[in-house]
Amino acid sequence: AQSVSQHNHHVILSEAASLELGCNYSYGGTVNLFWYVQYPGQHLQLLLKYFSGDPLVKGIKGFEAEFIKSKFSFNLRKPSVQWSDTAEYFCAVMPPEGGADGLTFGKGTHLIIQP
Amino acid sequence: GAGVSQSPRYKVAKRGQDVALRCDPISGHVSLFWYQQALGQGPEFLTYFQNEAQLDKSGLPSDRFFAERPEGSVSTLKIQRTQQEDSAVYLCASSSPGLANNEQFFGPGTRLTVL
Repeated sequence: AQSVSQHNHHVILSEAASLELGCNYSYGGTVNLFWYVQYPGQHLQLLLKYFSGDPLVKGIKGFEAEFIKSKFSFNLRKPSVQWSDTAEYFCAVMPPEGGADGLTFGKGTHLIIQP
Repeated sequence: GAGVSQSPRYKVAKRGQDVALRCDPISGHVSLFWYQQALGQGPEFLTYFQNEAQLDKSGLPSDRFFAERPEGSVSTLKIQRTQQEDSAVYLCASSSPGLANNEQFFGPGTRLTVL
């Protein structure tokens, strides 16, 4: 079974700071990788995803993530954060055949951006 | 909108009561997932439907949990004889094979509090 580890449970940054949230997964085969975001009072939304091809993936709102297969990592980055980026961020994996396996999520990182 | 909807949004139950949580997936989505998200944790997979067939229920924590999707659209998650440890947000997601690479779209969740 796969598992996902997010290194930081809470991160506090000032506006305009650069962001990197760590995500490592354990799974023996090929995986699809996701970052979801949950803004306060809202439901989970997809930020970006990696299925194949270019390991540097660009998502919405200026976020990007890099898949490094040798490190089993899929870290999320943003060069300059905004106050509106305050949210809970979840890394998730799924085998490519999807279906019954569902998504395996990390425990999440609570990001607070101070104005 | 045409997103996933869930009802009720909040449910308070006394220990021992039965509860039923409803999920309306995106119209036409074949796959439906239920997740449980405890406080401070990431969502954890409970069960999966493809149309009306429940193909995986390995994540259901006990035989008090039961899910159904009799007509392949709306789904209900039922919890019998609720316990305090059942307190969590219950998330529903839907997807459709072949569309958007199986991306799962999440509903707002039902927050269950068992007193």
